[in-house]
Amino acid sequence: AQTVTQSQPEMSVQEAETVTLSCTYDTSESNYYLFWYKQPPSRQMILVIRQEAYKQQNATENRFSVNFQKAAKSFSLKISDSQLGDTAMYFCAFSGSDDMRFGAGTRLTVKP
Amino acid sequence: ETGVTQTPRHLVMGMTNKKSLKCEQHLGHNAMYWYKQSAKKPLELMFVYNFKEQTENNSVPSRFSPECPNSSHLFLHLHTLQPEDSALYLCASSPGEGQGAFREKLFFGSGTQLSVL
Repeated sequence: AQTVTQSQPEMSVQEAETVTLSCTYDTSESNYYLFWYKQPPSRQMILVIRQEAYKQQNATENRFSVNFQKAAKSFSLKISDSQLGDTAMYFCAFSGSDDMRFGAGTRLTVKP
Repeated sequence: ETGVTQTPRHLVMGMTNKKSLKCEQHLGHNAMYWYKQSAKKPLELMFVYNFKEQTENNSVPSRFSPECPNSSHLFLHLHTLQPEDSALYLCASSPGEGQGAFREKLFFGSGTQLSVL
């Protein structure tokens, strides 16, 4: 079974600075998808970014980018120019041929 | 407004009660999901419906009973729950357009926070 590990339960960053959230996963599949979801205090989870494993280029969405290392099975999220509204739980997720697995989450606090 | 609405937002019930959670999506999606979110644990997939047919039942106890009358509505019927069932229950939907439901972007509701006393 695929597992997703987020080793940082909590992190904090100063407003306008950059922070990187870590995620590793385990799979024997070669073609899969990876996601980062954000869950603010409103509880509604929102997709931040998605990466397809067969694409070598790292996905980017405005201030959010990933560092996808397929051989190392690593999928970290970098948030640049952090804003107060980025305060939330961030979940890494793996999607294979027949399942989607989430990590336990990282609570990110952006400090003014 | 994300297009996925869950009611009620909060629910407190006794172990002998029967209640239902409701999820409605206005996105024209064909796949709908129930997830359980417990503190400090990964989201647990409970049920998946694709074109109203249940395609996944992730070893969920029978005290949880899903119902999907059409592609826009999903219910989770609760009966004789245990205190350990207290959690945030999230509904999600996705287009269900052939990539495989699990490879698509999920659209989540805001969840029902359930407390079982």
